[in-house]
Formats: sequence, C-alpha cells, structure tokens
Amino acid sequence: DTGVSQDPRHKITKRGQNVTFRCDPISEHNRLYWYRQTLGQGPEFLTYFQNEAQLEKSRLLSDRFSAERPKGSFSTLEIQRTEQGDSAMYLCASSSPGGYTFGSGTRLTVV
Amino acid sequence: KNEVEQSPQNLTAQEGEFITINCSYSVGISALHWLQQHPGGGIVSLFMLSSGKKKHGRLIATINIQEKHSSLHITASHPRDSAVYICAVASGAGSYQLTFGKGTKLSVIP
Repeated sequence: DTGVSQDPRHKITKRGQNVTFRCDPISEHNRLYWYRQTLGQGPEFLTYFQNEAQLEKSRLLSDRFSAERPKGSFSTLEIQRTEQGDSAMYLCASSSPGGYTFGSGTRLTVV
Repeated sequence: KNEVEQSPQNLTAQEGEFITINCSYSVGISALHWLQQHPGGGIVSLFMLSSGKKKHGRLIATINIQEKHSSLHITASHPRDSAVYICAVASGAGSYQLTFGKGTKLSVIP
C-alpha cells in the first residue's frame, strides 16, 4: 500500500461544469476525510466518513457538493455547477488511531 | 477567529540555525498534529502528540496541555527543511476532524 492516492492531481474546468475527484485511502483505515485549502490558508474540513457512513459535514459543503464512499473503500467528491470560488486544493486523508495520512491533493481551477 | 494560531507566519533562517515554530489553541483537544507541506500541496504528517515531547531525527515537538501550546523545533536546519509547517488539532468529543492553523512558511537559506 503506497498511501493515500488522489486523482486527478490537477483539474481545470469551465464555470458551470461538474467535476468529480477520487480518493483511495490506506486500506486498513476506516476513517476518510475531505478538506479544502485555499491559497495562504490552512485546510478546512469538508466531510468525514467512517466506513461507508458519512458522519459529519461542514457548512462549507453546499448543496452543490456531494461525497460518497460506497463499500467503505474509495471516496468521490463531486462539485456540480462549479463556481470560481470553488478553485482550491482538495485534500483527502485517512486515519487510524496511530495518525493521519494525507493524499497529494487535487488542485481545481475554475475558469 | 481561528481556534489554532501559529507564529511566526513567515520565517527565514540561515542553514544550521535552530528553529522554533509555535502553536496555540483555544479548545480542549484529544491530539495535536504537526504537518509539513511542500509546494505542490502534498502534506506529510510529522508528529501526533497528546502530551509531553516527541523527537524524530532533527525534529522535536513539545506540547503543554495546561497552557494549550505546542512548539516544533528544528535543529541544524537545512535548505531541504524549507516548507510550510502546519499545526492541527483534533478536538475529540466524538469529532475526528482536524482544525488547522494557517501554517508557518519556513525558508532556510544556504
């Protein structure tokens, strides 16, 4: 297992389009998180899964955002009708009691 | 107001210098994390602390739970240490999400 994988690394999309990101966590980790990071800021929590159950969602996660984790393995984050304000780095992490492992992130640019 | 405050925001050091980055938080926590982020975005977990002190190579992390304060020290700094160092806390109470500081951008000059 090589850690947390995110795909794609970079995504440029036109305003109004839908985008979907994928995260493959460490297989032994049952907790998976999505964070968003804008330039010059620390990451902000979006949502959290324990196995396939989505247990927490931030107020940042508007109706245009949806996340899934079918079968408790990989997760997807979809943004519908993208806006320029959605441009950010989207980070996925998974955790065990021993700590967190982060993916390299997906950088989204909405033009 | 961010619940996690880091200082300084930016730090420039000469190679070989001893570096300290500070983190203060305002809520009760179950654990505090120090993370390293390089240009391009990937985050590497350096330490997870709930008490005391941890050391890994040239890096040392300490935490004082009563004072709600943690420090990350780098001994004999090297240009490859240049990165953004981020403090993050897990508030516990059934919540596993992390709350992050804004980060400290460290530049080590040869």
